[in-house]
Amino acid sequence: KNQVEQSPQSLIILEGKNCTLQCNYTVSPFSNLRWYKQDTGRGPVSLTIMTFSENTKSNGRYTATLDADTKQSSLHITASQLSDSASYICVVSGGGSQGNLIFGKGTKLSVKP
Amino acid sequence: EAGVTQSPTHLIKTRGQQATLRCSPISGHTSVYWYQQALGLGLQFLLWYDEGEERNRGNFPPRFSGRQFPNYSSELNVNALELEDSALYLCASSPRWANTEAFFGQGTRLTVV
Repeated sequence: KNQVEQSPQSLIILEGKNCTLQCNYTVSPFSNLRWYKQDTGRGPVSLTIMTFSENTKSNGRYTATLDADTKQSSLHITASQLSDSASYICVVSGGGSQGNLIFGKGTKLSVKP
Repeated sequence: EAGVTQSPTHLIKTRGQQATLRCSPISGHTSVYWYQQALGLGLQFLLWYDEGEERNRGNFPPRFSGRQFPNYSSELNVNALELEDSALYLCASSPRWANTEAFFGQGTRLTVV
């Protein structure tokens, strides 16, 4: 069964600290993996998208890694800011069409001053 | 360039009524996707429209339906509303058949009382 599992479910960190969010998937075939940031009550906003051949991709203070062999990805946030408080969603595309997007349930990150 | 726009932002209906949600994709995008995000849950795929036709459908009952117009905008209709239909409904768009990132609207918050 195609699944995307994220951990932890929620995380609280202090402003300025780093953190790493995890994503494990069992989606096959695999086309690409995306990380989205979703503020409460808003639509998700894309952070990164990685294909099978990409191991790492950065977007400012966000760095995503992908290990296609172990089917694991991580999102590392550096020097966190209060505005990083949001849900971070890992999405895996099974290829073929957008209708094959498999969403994780997200990690809810709270950054405290 | 305008992003994906959804209307209304909030909608309150009573059980048994019908709800109509609207989505305008990014200019040039022909594919529109609908997702349901119930409180505390991940995004669940509802429907995918491309070039005016329904291309794929998620595991939802037939009372969830929709259509896509010649200008690629889309409507999601939910008939015989139930309390558990209360959720954030998100629309996303992408270029036709492209398995690239989807851009999300801000969502319509549907509350069924």
